[in-house]
Amino acid sequence: QKEVEQDPGPLSVPEGAIVSLNCTYSNSAFQYFMWYRQYSRKGPELLMYTYSSGNKEDGRFTAQVDKSSKYISLFIRDSQPSDSATYLCAMSADQAGTALIFGKGTTLSVSS
Amino acid sequence: DTGVSQNPRHKITKRGQNVTFRCDPISEHNRLYWYRQTLGQGPEFLTYFQNEAQLEKSRLLSDRFSAERPKGSFSTLEIQRTEQGDSAMYLCASSPGLPDQYFGAGTRLSVL
Repeated sequence: QKEVEQDPGPLSVPEGAIVSLNCTYSNSAFQYFMWYRQYSRKGPELLMYTYSSGNKEDGRFTAQVDKSSKYISLFIRDSQPSDSATYLCAMSADQAGTALIFGKGTTLSVSS
Repeated sequence: DTGVSQNPRHKITKRGQNVTFRCDPISEHNRLYWYRQTLGQGPEFLTYFQNEAQLEKSRLLSDRFSAERPKGSFSTLEIQRTEQGDSAMYLCASSPGLPDQYFGAGTRLSVL
């Protein structure tokens, strides 16, 4: 079992839909949770960063962390064609910043 | 542009040749990371530096791989005697010593 599991999709939704992306993990030491967006042939771009359990909102994006279930989510409201990309979850146990452990990424396609 | 810069963007080489990639991090960031990403996978950690000190190396970093950050600024990643299995996107990220990391656009290596 990998430390971080993420359904690769692909996930296809119409414009305006609410999108839910999820990751599960096995290492209870993880405390820092990130979501990255990666367009084709580009580097990952940091979207959201959350510490421990709880919710964080930034515009159309909401990140949720449930440490008791070892489950994190990213919600995208009013999805746009420009949101079409691969979304990667990443986690770390260390505040000082050591290696991030990534999921495989979920490919999202938003059609107009 | 004040982001992470990687050069070259694409490198094509023949099996057995040596290649070197360069990463220029965000100037105030003391931590620099190298990751490798293959198609359909999330980035996998290779190594990281705090200033000029290489603090951690993954078991993925075979003897053919070497990384340096001579003055705590830019970094180079060299692969000797390249193999077809080395074909991947090599990503560099930097951080001010916090869990969130900021990625460059990557160097895509193709070994023929």
